[in-house]
Amino acid sequence: QSALTQPASVSGAPGQSITISCTGTSSDFIDYNYVSWYQQHPGKAPKLMLYEVSNRPSGVSNRFSGSKSGNTASLTISGLQAEDEADYYCSTYTSSPYVFGTGTRVTVL
Amino acid sequence: EVQLVESGGGLVKPGGSLRLSCAASGFTFSTYSMNWVRQAPGKGLEWVSSIGSSSNYIYYADSVRGRFTISRDNAKNSLFLQMNSLRAEDTAVYYCAREPTMSVWGQGTTVTVSS
Repeated sequence: QSALTQPASVSGAPGQSITISCTGTSSDFIDYNYVSWYQQHPGKAPKLMLYEVSNRPSGVSNRFSGSKSGNTASLTISGLQAEDEADYYCSTYTSSPYVFGTGTRVTVL
Repeated sequence: EVQLVESGGGLVKPGGSLRLSCAASGFTFSTYSMNWVRQAPGKGLEWVSSIGSSSNYIYYADSVRGRFTISRDNAKNSLFLQMNSLRAEDTAVYYCAREPTMSVWGQGTTVTVSS
């Protein structure tokens, strides 16, 4: 099972909005609802930010939102803050069962 | 507090074995499926293996199938990963993560395979 494709890097100024894409094949997104996003700061464990495309776990800022269209899922960070600078990974649940994206480094300018 | 703590990592020669453990606390371990995920130095996340709450299902990534064995002891709130025939490419930080949707992660344990 190949990794889902994400842009290597995305950057934005504080206060701006950025969007990270996550693209796979139709078999990667066999179950429409099972798309998750994880944030990972350097040297730290990943943290779940969104699940089932657009749902936020308790404690995650509403500046993080998600969507999906066809074989591409997206994570949008609104009102970008310095603390958002991190790596972000998408993931789907398939028959494998899990596949992660290649990861995106978000830089706050 | 919900917590996962991995242990058992270390330096091992190619072809050697290691057994990783993940101690769970703060939740009813026996009702949750669990996963192992690894991250090679400077690389992305790679799913390794999953096990159902009562060991009712087990899955492995192609890269580890036949060499790694996942197991759990619900009486001891513990998850394990037995790693045999280790290769240089298995060098990584290994995390355990709780279902659903890998909502809880441990801090990771480092495995280095080198002669």
